[in-house]
Amino acid sequence: DIQMTQSPSFLSASVGDRVTITCRASQSISRYLNWYQQKPGKAPKLLIYVASNLQSGVPSRFSGSGSGTDFTLTISSLQPEDFATYYCQQSYATPPWTFGQGTKVEIK
Amino acid sequence: EVQLAESGGGLVKPGGSLRLSCKISGFTFRDHNMNWVRQAPGKGLEWVSSITSSGSYIYYADSVKGRFTISRDNAKNSLYLQMNSLRAEDTAVYYCAREGAYGDSEIDYWGQGTLVTVSS
Repeated sequence: DIQMTQSPSFLSASVGDRVTITCRASQSISRYLNWYQQKPGKAPKLLIYVASNLQSGVPSRFSGSGSGTDFTLTISSLQPEDFATYYCQQSYATPPWTFGQGTKVEIK
Repeated sequence: EVQLAESGGGLVKPGGSLRLSCKISGFTFRDHNMNWVRQAPGKGLEWVSSITSSGSYIYYADSVKGRFTISRDNAKNSLYLQMNSLRAEDTAVYYCAREGAYGDSEIDYWGQGTLVTVSS
């Protein structure tokens, strides 16, 4: 199975900061990498699909990049509503799909 | 509006069984692959099982293989997860989750989740 490793696991940042979260796959997954945001007690929400495509309705301050094994989620200017946990997920070829362990973004 | 509504969660003893259901509305169910994803208390997301749009192909995580069975009824717009031989480590919120329609397999909609607690 493909393993997904996110870093950091925890991030403390201020409103207005530029934030970057990294996800690494244990083998090449082309561009089949998706990013989700989850707030406490809520279901995850799709932010970015196939590495860099912004899901409809997601603010443009979110962006994704990468291919192969290394991927990045960037929030250009952190807003109060962005404090949450972020997960990457690979959807290469066929299941099993795998998620990263999550990155919790908290207020500094 | 796309909606996915899980039901069937609850408290069950180790070794017991439970059947989760997911009723969908707001989209053409037969056009989408579907998944179950779970989240243990305070932990991350874990993919559990997938079923293709027609039901022809089914996949399971190793952790549930041989114990869980995914199925769907396209006529009833419903997804199911039969869970047998439940263990304490199966305790989690179980989400019904839809894949997008264009073959990239991103999960574009999630239900609100249903809590399964396995405890004596």
